[in-house]
Amino acid sequence: AQSVTQLDSQVPVFEEAPVELRCNYSSSVSVYLFWYVQYPNQGLQLLLKYLSGSTLVKGINGFEAEFNKSQTSFHLRKPSVHISDTAEYFCALKSNYGQNFVFGPGTRLSVLP
Amino acid sequence: DTAVSQTPKYLVTQMGNDKSIKCEQNLGHDTMYWYKQDSKKFLKIMFSYNNKELIINETVPNRFSPKSPDKAHLNLHINSLELGDSAVYFCASSPWEGQGGEKLFFGSGTQLSVL
Repeated sequence: AQSVTQLDSQVPVFEEAPVELRCNYSSSVSVYLFWYVQYPNQGLQLLLKYLSGSTLVKGINGFEAEFNKSQTSFHLRKPSVHISDTAEYFCALKSNYGQNFVFGPGTRLSVLP
Repeated sequence: DTAVSQTPKYLVTQMGNDKSIKCEQNLGHDTMYWYKQDSKKFLKIMFSYNNKELIINETVPNRFSPKSPDKAHLNLHINSLELGDSAVYFCASSPWEGQGGEKLFFGSGTQLSVL
């Protein structure tokens, strides 16, 4: 069985401060890893993904994530957040065979002025 | 040009009714999905079709029946609606894995409220 854990359900942070959203996963097979963002009343959009190669992945809007195989983690970071980053962030995995994407429970990022 | 479009955006109905949600994608993808997002924002896959063939069928009440008339459409029909069916339902699509199927494209969601 595969699973994704996001330990923080809510993360409040002040504008221009750095932020890290944590994601850990469990899988007995190799996986692809993703971060999706959901703005209010919208569908999910891909922020970034790790398929293979460099463990540091850069995405849109200044976000980046680092794949750590030994710790089975894929934490998302941004050095300086903006009010417009307020959204729900979902970590997800997909095995490198099959079509099932498994999502974590989400982390609500609230950027305060 | 909307890539994945689903209708309606909002659906308010009484318990016991039957309703449908439609989804269409114009991306040429082979695989389509239905996800349910509950009030705590948890996303859970319900069904997946590849080229009109059912490939993922999670533990979902059989009141939920997907139908894929062609690979660009995946509709969701729900019979005898219950209060617990209230949620946001997202349609999504992706290329087949051999075509780089490692990204989901989501619709904007259908908020279903059962009264």
